[in-house]
Amino acid sequence: DVQLLESGGGLVQPGGSLRLSCAASGFTFSNSAMRWVRQAPGKGLEWISTIIHSGDGTYYADSVKGRFTISRDNSKNTLYLQMNGLRADDTALYYCAKVMDFFYMDVWGKGTTVTVSS
Amino acid sequence: EIVLTQSPGTLSLSPGERATLSCRASQSVSSYLAWYQQKPGQAPRLLIYAASSRATGIPDRFTGSGSGTDFTLTISRLEPEDFAVYYCQVHDPSRGFTFGPGTKVDIK
Repeated sequence: DVQLLESGGGLVQPGGSLRLSCAASGFTFSNSAMRWVRQAPGKGLEWISTIIHSGDGTYYADSVKGRFTISRDNSKNTLYLQMNGLRADDTALYYCAKVMDFFYMDVWGKGTTVTVSS
Repeated sequence: EIVLTQSPGTLSLSPGERATLSCRASQSVSSYLAWYQQKPGQAPRLLIYAASSRATGIPDRFTGSGSGTDFTLTISRLEPEDFAVYYCQVHDPSRGFTFGPGTKVDIK
């Protein structure tokens, strides 16, 4: 069964940091680009970052550039999102997703919730 | 910057009826468009990619069409499990990946 399982979310104060993880199973993780997408409460979907299969290429939305870092460990089949300088508007449900054909996302995790509040 | 507009914002229909959802891009995206379904409390699910190809396991009552700037998702006969929010998504070379604001299909 193809599966993604996010973890690491929680409550953090403004300016704080969190590291999200996404454990992959059921497919060849090292062959797949991966993305993080978030959804603020009651809002739509926002792409925030992509990493290519090898980890050598990373891409970010302007809203998180310079604050968030995407990475992966192909030996552990795990994707990460290091989030620094968190702001209230980073509060959201964070999903990891497997990339298909560069443009699309065909497998999604259930998400992990990040709340930024004092 | 590519802006996606989805219409209507909400579509109120009864089970068995046909649903027609629209997604319009501010500039041509060729056929590089996807549709996702999201039910309350669940992650999005890929329905359609490349404008008209059904993803694995998606029933044939879901049909995607269009190219360029105008796209349509048609659900031929609504089943109870189809009441959800539907998002279109494209690749914007200047900004990454963009989702539309969504169309909610709810029960009339």
